[in-house]
Amino acid sequence: SYELTQPPSVSVSPGQTASITCSGDKLGDKYACWYQQKPGQSPVLVIYQDSKRPSGIPERFSGSNSGNTATLTISGTQAMDEADYYCQAWDSSILVFGTGTKVT
Amino acid sequence: QVQLQESGPGLVKPSETLSLTCAVSGYSISSGYYWGWIRQPPGKGLEWIGSIYHSGSTYYNPSLKSRVTISVDTSKNQFSLKLSSVTAADTAVYYCARHPIYYDRRGEVDYFDYWGQGTLVTVSS
Repeated sequence: SYELTQPPSVSVSPGQTASITCSGDKLGDKYACWYQQKPGQSPVLVIYQDSKRPSGIPERFSGSNSGNTATLTISGTQAMDEADYYCQAWDSSILVFGTGTKVT
Repeated sequence: QVQLQESGPGLVKPSETLSLTCAVSGYSISSGYYWGWIRQPPGKGLEWIGSIYHSGSTYYNPSLKSRVTISVDTSKNQFSLKLSSVTAADTAVYYCARHPIYYDRRGEVDYFDYWGQGTLVTVSS
């Protein structure tokens, strides 16, 4: 079965850049998206189709996908960005979520 | 604004069937899109259960397929989940969400753009 692997945690100082990776076999051949989930809340879509931002998502969130790795980048990280982040991809009609990364 | 609301029992006995419904407002299911179910065990990550189109076409997670049935009722603008033979491992927050799936030159594009608030289902005797 297809798997997406993320680092368990990423630590970043306010105002700095956080990069969260998502690794999977030939992930760059598929489209990836990213969700932000704060404690006790439902996930929120922050990036879809590798690099597109839904309406209302700040410009500091950006995404890329190439080779075996998709990356979510948060530029000028703010305290409100502290959350769990999950990548997701669709492979052969099966949807897979990444293992999740806690950003502190 | 699209809104989704899960409903159903919060406690299910082992070996019984978990049944949840997701009511959609602000958008007609008949207009398109897939609609999906996702779950999250306490303290753990997200797991996709399956998705359904308004026509009834479905995709299921292979690991759950033998126990899952997802159905849609366009007259009530809602869709439902049934998970049979539950065990404690099925204890989770269950979310419903809108699931656009479309194609471009590189392949399939999909994501969940609107989510319900989630409902905790505990499996216990």
